[in-house]
Amino acid sequence: DAGVTQSPTHLIKTRGQQVTLRCSPKSGHDTVSWYQQALGQGPQFIFQYYEEEERQRGNFPDRFSGHQFPNYSSELNVNALLLGDSALYLCASSLWGQGVGYTFGSGTRLTVV
Amino acid sequence: AQKVTQAQTEISVVEKEDVTLDCVYETRDTTYYLFWYKQPPSGELVFLIRRNSFDEQNEISGRYSWNFQKSTSSFNFTITASQVVDSAVYFCALSRPSGTYKYIFGTGTRLKVLA
Repeated sequence: DAGVTQSPTHLIKTRGQQVTLRCSPKSGHDTVSWYQQALGQGPQFIFQYYEEEERQRGNFPDRFSGHQFPNYSSELNVNALLLGDSALYLCASSLWGQGVGYTFGSGTRLTVV
Repeated sequence: AQKVTQAQTEISVVEKEDVTLDCVYETRDTTYYLFWYKQPPSGELVFLIRRNSFDEQNEISGRYSWNFQKSTSSFNFTITASQVVDSAVYFCALSRPSGTYKYIFGTGTRLKVLA
């Protein structure tokens, strides 16, 4: 049973560019959340998707956007990249409304130069 | 507002020593969940425990134990007889009682267990 799968593993982009990160949730899960983890910090919540709609959003600018597909997979898009966007981006899946914790992926390491 | 504080940035111990990782939280909710996660160098967050705010019973799982004290808003994690494989970053997190609500993470404690 595959867990949460994220791609790519590592990515290097230039300031001002746009990036798309991908996540496939654990089998049976229907909700995807994205977190940003800067170096030496704890993960910070970006947003959450369920039924192809954004359900919750953290304190991140509109440059951060997302999408969920009918098969529950999700994308995180970041426009106009800044150096400060360099971080580990973690995807977490869960089952909507259930009292169970998230399953996290190994993340995508984004470096903005 | 919700907040999680892990005051210990880094701890180093020698193998077989016991070590306690501290977690202090703030919330106005009367019902909430607390979690501990382990993050090895691979980056994946590995779930260790979830605690409901109504359940103040301490829990033991092998070499791991957790001490939840609502009176001091603390949820501390102890590793007994530490091993090199315990070396990782450990995060404490807080969430509202919905199973799909966002997590508020602390800044983590890096544990180094030396052979």
